[in-house]
Amino acid sequence: DGGITQSPKYLFRKEGQNVTLSCEQNLNHDAMYWYRQDPGQGLRLIYYSQIVNDFQKGDIAEGYSVSREKKESFPLTVTSAQKNPTAFYLCASSKSTGTNEKLFFGSGTQLSVL
Amino acid sequence: GNSVTQMEGPVTLSEEAFLTINCTYTATGYPSLFWYVQYPGEGLQLLLKATKADDKGSNKGFEATYRKETTSFHLEKGSVQVSDSAVYFCALSDNTGGFKTIFGAGTRLFVKA
Repeated sequence: DGGITQSPKYLFRKEGQNVTLSCEQNLNHDAMYWYRQDPGQGLRLIYYSQIVNDFQKGDIAEGYSVSREKKESFPLTVTSAQKNPTAFYLCASSKSTGTNEKLFFGSGTQLSVL
Repeated sequence: GNSVTQMEGPVTLSEEAFLTINCTYTATGYPSLFWYVQYPGEGLQLLLKATKADDKGSNKGFEATYRKETTSFHLEKGSVQVSDSAVYFCALSDNTGGFKTIFGAGTRLFVKA
């Protein structure tokens, strides 16, 4: 079945540590996104990528980094510069970045600080 | 900038009750409007969408009409079921200043048997 796979489901970060969240899609979609979800705040865009080897900052990119070396993969690194990383992270994809395109989401990764 | 405002939850209803979740938006262009649903521990999935004024999106008994004059996209269902318990997100997308989908804060719905 086609879809988006995020791993791990739960992740714990120690102080000063960088951690990487995985996101893989087999939908042959060009565009991929990372959102952060905090209780009561909806989803906020961290980074997005319209094509391979290209990505743009979203609204809350500070303390995060991404890469897009393959069409299928869009990993997110939460760096030690992100002082409040505890949140639910959602990866999404769409065929393109047209305004009518719906987003397909993975099941999310819950990141917590030890 | 663009924004989406949803009614605060949680909303608690009995089975077979009528549901309305209000959503209003602010946009500089001509956005497409969406409702997404999130079940516990999962990602979001598209429930319905509308791409221009007066369009009605519908799916699984849920409906929403794109009202440009009131900048609204309220979600309705005539008879809710326990299985409809979830968080519902209103969202818009347009290409003003670069492509983005902007989400409301979400409204949690509890349906009691």
